[in-house]
Amino acid sequence: DQQVKQNSPSLSVQEGRISILNCDYTNSMFDYFLWYKKYPAEGPTFLISISSIKDKNEDGRFTVFLNKSAKHLSLHIVPSQPGDSAVYFCAVRSYNTDKLIFGTGTRLQVFP
Amino acid sequence: DAGVIQSPRHEVTEMGQEVTLRCKPISGHDYLFWYRQTMMRGLELLIYFNNNVPIDDSGMPEDRFSAKMPNASFSTLKIQPSEPRDSAVYFCASSFGRTIRNTIYFGEGSWLTVV
Repeated sequence: DQQVKQNSPSLSVQEGRISILNCDYTNSMFDYFLWYKKYPAEGPTFLISISSIKDKNEDGRFTVFLNKSAKHLSLHIVPSQPGDSAVYFCAVRSYNTDKLIFGTGTRLQVFP
Repeated sequence: DAGVIQSPRHEVTEMGQEVTLRCKPISGHDYLFWYRQTMMRGLELLIYFNNNVPIDDSGMPEDRFSAKMPNASFSTLKIQPSEPRDSAVYFCASSFGRTIRNTIYFGEGSWLTVV
């Protein structure tokens, strides 16, 4: 049973528009939430994070939103660029462990 | 600076053979993680070490899988005997201190195909 779910395996967005990637989790004990980005043949790299005491964190074109009551996390990319085309993984951490639990990933394609 | 180094990058082996994947974490990092990526389950944590000691191996799928970290600069993940369902990309990652913020750094992965 997946504790972290990314229900959309793929997303296609036109360049310049907004990309919204979603993630749902099951455990209210998770206290830190992250997004990682992965290009083909490379390892995942950190993108942006948010702690459970906040509901929004922004870094340039990337904004992460956290809705604790709904156990829902989302990543907004505005404006989307072709270089953003990659697989995006959300990840969560439980407050009393050091392990990150990842979702299944969403493949984002940004077309011109 | 050198990142996390994994070898081999690609491995094709026959069912029943032993497979050993290797990892060199970033110097100074005290946490090491082994993940497996599949289409169905995404990135699964198999095991992680802190200061060379295994902390949580609850993600190791079966007794066929074992991992060791004999010193701070080297870890292995072994599959014996290998099966076709073990085909996946195996990632090693390391971090310094507790896993907060952006402290986990991944290697480029080892692509394993078992035929």
